[in-house]
Amino acid sequence: SQQGEEDPQALSIQEGENATMNCSYKTSINNLQWYRQNSGRGLVHLILIRSNEREKHSGRLRVTLDTSKKSSSLLITASRAADTASYFCATDARAQGGSEKLVFGKGMKLTVNP
Amino acid sequence: DSGVTQTPKHLITATGQRVTLRCSPRSGDLSVYWYQQSLDQGLQFLIQYYNGEERAKGNILERFSAQQFPDLHSELNLSSLELGDSALYFCASSPLGAGNTIYFGEGSWLTVV
Repeated sequence: SQQGEEDPQALSIQEGENATMNCSYKTSINNLQWYRQNSGRGLVHLILIRSNEREKHSGRLRVTLDTSKKSSSLLITASRAADTASYFCATDARAQGGSEKLVFGKGMKLTVNP
Repeated sequence: DSGVTQTPKHLITATGQRVTLRCSPRSGDLSVYWYQQSLDQGLQFLIQYYNGEERAKGNILERFSAQQFPDLHSELNLSSLELGDSALYFCASSPLGAGNTIYFGEGSWLTVV
């Protein structure tokens, strides 16, 4: 089962516009991460935000976390065609045996048109 | 380049067969993870090993097994393959546990015909 769910599932914007993706999750977390995947390639880590943080920046990326609403958002500012990819949120969740596992949402496909 | 190496990159095999996917983690990473990505199921966590020991288990079928060797490389064995096992299988590694950034390989495309 998915812990995180991205919204919207697909987004198409023009180059230079901002893109906002949302992630909702179900159980309490220690941290939340965002990853990016170019078509058919491996996932690449973008940013990690801990449960005691509310906002984090990395270059053109801004991530917010609202633990009361169990939600996070990823904002990409001044988007470029090269930002076209699928974006996933990932949260730690309890695995069989009680240890932690990293669970990914279904992903959101972002298309940036030149 | 994440530093995680997976082989083979592509594999086509018949139903009922068995295949082995191999993963070399980033230098120094003790944790190895296996994920399966398919169109209908998304990215599913299969299993994690830490320094040779199984650490966490996800939605891994009984027909699938994995291990991590003393040199920290890992293998995922898939047996009695079915059409529905066709997917992209990712290996990832990290220095510690699942609460940290993990680094993905480029995946092994498995097609079962």
